[in-house]
Amino acid sequence: SQQGEEDPQALSIQEGENATMNCSYKTSINNLQWYRQNSGRGLVHLILIRSNEREKHSGRLRVTLDTSKKSSSLLITASRAADTASYFCATYYTGTYKYIFGTGTRLKVLA
Amino acid sequence: DAGVIQSPRHEVTEMGQEVTLRCKPISGHDYLFWYRQTMMRGLELLIYFNNNVPIDDSGMPEDRFSAKMPNASFSTLKIQPSEPRDSAVYFCASSFRIEETQYFGPGTRLLVL
Repeated sequence: SQQGEEDPQALSIQEGENATMNCSYKTSINNLQWYRQNSGRGLVHLILIRSNEREKHSGRLRVTLDTSKKSSSLLITASRAADTASYFCATYYTGTYKYIFGTGTRLKVLA
Repeated sequence: DAGVIQSPRHEVTEMGQEVTLRCKPISGHDYLFWYRQTMMRGLELLIYFNNNVPIDDSGMPEDRFSAKMPNASFSTLKIQPSEPRDSAVYFCASSFRIEETQYFGPGTRLLVL
């Protein structure tokens, strides 16, 4: 089973609202990444946050990392219908040499 | 750069046939990954290469699956013989370093009848 777990599994919001999704991991990491996947497409990298960073911004995206809780969150502000996609966290576990993607959150933004 | 290139984009075959999926990574990337995605199992890492050498193939489901990387610009994933449960979308991705951003290809949608 994959070590990256995300919640919620699915999220439906109105356009203009904020969307928050969370990711938990189990062992030490050097960085954590978030990807987006539109239906029928490959994954696209959104943002990378390193273990010595607590927060990072990119446009309407805000990512936080709490290494003490082994968790990360992705916030999309002022969501748009075009943000409808699945969002995955991913990380490389240095102890086991495994690169693992989370189970993903399916976001639906209603216009 | 054109990004990661995969072919074919769609493949429909009959059970028992051999299937070969192809991938061209981004030039200069030292790592190449093969993933399988299904509704039931999500995104699974099958195998990854570093400098053309397979590093971790623990995700390869069984001996029917094999992957090769004969040079830095080409990799194949072969299924022989194929079975209906192999139906999935197969992605290839490449990266400069193992921990850094992975760039995904558009995927090959495989249907085994």
